[in-house]
Amino acid sequence: DAGITQSPRYKITETGRQVTLMCHQTWSHSYMFWYRQDLGHGLRLIYYSAAADITDKGEVPDGYVVSRSKTENFPLTLESATRSQTSVYFCASSERAANHYEQYFGPGTRLTVT
Amino acid sequence: AQKITQTQPGMFVQEKEAVTLDCTYDTSDQSYGLFWYKQPSSGEMIFLIYQGSYDEQNATEGRYSLNFQKARKSANLVISASQLGDSAMYFCAMREGRGSTLGRLYFGRGTQLTVWP
Repeated sequence: DAGITQSPRYKITETGRQVTLMCHQTWSHSYMFWYRQDLGHGLRLIYYSAAADITDKGEVPDGYVVSRSKTENFPLTLESATRSQTSVYFCASSERAANHYEQYFGPGTRLTVT
Repeated sequence: AQKITQTQPGMFVQEKEAVTLDCTYDTSDQSYGLFWYKQPSSGEMIFLIYQGSYDEQNATEGRYSLNFQKARKSANLVISASQLGDSAMYFCAMREGRGSTLGRLYFGRGTQLTVWP
């Protein structure tokens, strides 16, 4: 399907386990982003990427790792999950970084760390 | 300091009435963009409206309009003729013009709008 997809949509994992959240977009957008949404905080940027093999940290990168070997994929890995990483994770993409280019969001992944 | 401030955690409006959701922003850039997104209970983020810092007129999209007051650094969303389906969380967001930020959005904490019959 065209657009931006995330998998899994729901995930329950245990503290200390490694978890990878997948993000795939079909538009060949250069820019991709990972946000987390927590009550009272809105959305906060974890990592972003301007192109394949170019990534950089956002506001809350600790405990997360990203990679971008292909333009269309931007996986987010929690190397050793903690309860504080229980959140809803959104992937987004944008054709350009210029102001008026909209960011398109995936449906989100609800992650619970027990 | 917060880049985006939404001071109304919750708002209530009667169906068919207009409602204004407040948003103030903080930036030293001359070039920036302001966005509003809607998040219904199903969780997806839906783009509503965009205003560029150099746009001379307030943006409008159907029942949505953006009351842009540059000197006051405010970008309030106005929803006219509210509908029950407008009940959702609304987020204000900003993108700054500096290239080093790579187009990231700064979000406010959101306003939960409830429309009652």
